[in-house]
Amino acid sequence: QKEVEQNSGPLSVPEGAIASLNCTYSDRVSQSFFWYRQYSGKSPELIMSIYSNGDKEDGRFTAQLNKASQYVSLLIRDSQPSDSATYLCAVRSGTGGGNKLTFGTGTQLKVEL
Amino acid sequence: DGGITQSPKYLFRKEGQNVTLSCEQNLNHDAMYWYRQDPGQGLRLIYYSQIVNDFQKGDIAEGYSVSREKKESFPLTVTSAQKNPTAFYLCASIPRQANYGYTFGSGTRLTVV
Repeated sequence: QKEVEQNSGPLSVPEGAIASLNCTYSDRVSQSFFWYRQYSGKSPELIMSIYSNGDKEDGRFTAQLNKASQYVSLLIRDSQPSDSATYLCAVRSGTGGGNKLTFGTGTQLKVEL
Repeated sequence: DGGITQSPKYLFRKEGQNVTLSCEQNLNHDAMYWYRQDPGQGLRLIYYSQIVNDFQKGDIAEGYSVSREKKESFPLTVTSAQKNPTAFYLCASIPRQANYGYTFGSGTRLTVV
């Protein structure tokens, strides 16, 4: 069983629509959750962090966390063509050392004109 | 400007050859990480180090070696024992015990020729 799962996509949305990206994780003691955006050929860029249940908003991005159901999601409002990228979900466990992040395989988002 | 510098950006390796990827940071971060990214497989942890002169294996350490002689530097050697080294290699860092996302370098794309 994969520790962090994402639908690989591609997820296609029209410009101006809301894009919804989902991620589930298996380690119940996970404490910290992150969303990275990665353009083709580039390194990942951190766009959102969330640590407690509920919603966290930053501009057009909203991260949602539900620890009981072990899922975290990212909503992108008013999607733009520049949002077309792969979005990686990353999880930090509460156990073990090293402050390591475990990544999902990413969801490819395509925003169409 | 503070950041993580990876070099070279592109690297070509012949069969049976060892190559070393450089990762240097001026962020004064204690912890550094090496990940490998293959298409469709997300990021997988190779090695990490939380302090100078100490490092631990990640999930896919076979065929790789590292050193941490200075806080700023965490080079990765891809040895001839790594049978499938073609991938995108990413270095990341974070202050030790900090609970936020990594800062990534720009990556090194390694190709076997």
